[in-house]
Amino acid sequence: GNSVTQMEGPVTLSEEAFLTINCTYTATGYPSLFWYVQYPGEGLQLLLKATKADDKGSNKGFEATYRKETTSFHLEKGSVQVSDSAVYFCALARLSQGGSEKLVFGKGTKLTVNP
Amino acid sequence: SQTIHQWPATLVQPVGSPLSLECTVEGTSNPNLYWYRQAAGRGLQLLFYSVGIGQISSEVPQNLSASRPQDRQFILSSKKLLLSDSGFYLCAWSVRVRYEQYFGPGTRLTVT
Repeated sequence: GNSVTQMEGPVTLSEEAFLTINCTYTATGYPSLFWYVQYPGEGLQLLLKATKADDKGSNKGFEATYRKETTSFHLEKGSVQVSDSAVYFCALARLSQGGSEKLVFGKGTKLTVNP
Repeated sequence: SQTIHQWPATLVQPVGSPLSLECTVEGTSNPNLYWYRQAAGRGLQLLFYSVGIGQISSEVPQNLSASRPQDRQFILSSKKLLLSDSGFYLCAWSVRVRYEQYFGPGTRLTVT
């Protein structure tokens, strides 16, 4: 079946450090891939997406590249800020039997950035 | 632009009481709608999804039900709450044939 595996957290970094959050997936075909971010007490926000192999999604300094060979979609940022502290979710999209679109989420990785 | 609303923002209810959470979407027509529950501040569990008025699919058997009385309104209900129903409930919408979902601000439910 379809599944997403994220690196276990929590991750604690100092401001301006380099961030990598690993995400690998299992799926039939070529699913669309997403990263969502959740700030404390809020809903999820779409951070970036990629719809086909070798696509690079980017937003707010974050990047992730769709790697079909390694079935991965790792999230990276060159210099994190305190305001990036949040929980990050990797997700893939699949069609259900009824034809509706659904997302399969990883368990989330909590990032804390210290000043 | 599209917006999604959920209310109430927080709710404390005793065990055995009924529940009604509401979600509305503005600025789009005929969206797919979803209810998720997030327990322990981490993973998301899809509870229900809907592709149209009156069309509800349940992902897991549970104490909850959902209804879609209007195109952009999605309601989550329970006749008798259990302690295990506590959690953060998120509503989301998506455009047909587009996979990305957009989430509301959530409702924090505590069952005492």
